[in-house]
Amino acid sequence: KAGVTQTPRYLIKTRGQQVTLSCSPISGHRSVSWYQQTPGQGLQFLFEYFSETQRNKGNFPGRFSGRQFSNSRSEMNVSTLELGDSALYLCASSSLARFNNEQFFGPGTRLTVL
Amino acid sequence: KNEVEQSPQNLTAQEGEFITINCSYSVGISALHWLQQHPGGGIVSLFMLSSGKKKHGRLIATINIQEKHSSLHITASHPRDSAVYICAVPYNTDKLIFGTGTRLQVFP
Repeated sequence: KAGVTQTPRYLIKTRGQQVTLSCSPISGHRSVSWYQQTPGQGLQFLFEYFSETQRNKGNFPGRFSGRQFSNSRSEMNVSTLELGDSALYLCASSSLARFNNEQFFGPGTRLTVL
Repeated sequence: KNEVEQSPQNLTAQEGEFITINCSYSVGISALHWLQQHPGGGIVSLFMLSSGKKKHGRLIATINIQEKHSSLHITASHPRDSAVYICAVPYNTDKLIFGTGTRLQVFP
């Protein structure tokens, strides 16, 4: 089975722009969750989608949004980029909702905001 | 106080040494995850456990639910084990919260 894929792997944007990141889960997995990793804050939960519905959202401003398609692929969008949004963005997929199931992580998208 | 605490933050070892990384949490949980992150960022799930002990190759993970504590052990450490090890727990099953990670360097 192919693993979780994320595109693009690297991205450079300037302040004020918006960005869309994509995550394709393992085939058959219906849960996709997103995380932000920065040197200062570590790994933080952004949101989780299951069967096209956002189940939970972390403590991030409304500039961070996402969606999930019927094939379970997910996108996250960040609008009006700020310098502090520079981070590694990771997604993970799981066969079931909730987090007492094994999570399979993608390689991440490294976003740099200039 | 963080809900998930790891120790030590940094660990240096000689090849062949026995390694222990600790994780303590303050929330009630149904499971605990141990993750490995290599330079470059990719994260690999090592273990998910809700009780007792699990073993995979040279890696052993234990958890004590009553004491809210888990340990990850690496036997006969090798330079390729050099990575950041992160524990994570579900918070109300709604999200994962992460420890700050333990950076391990194993020298030949």
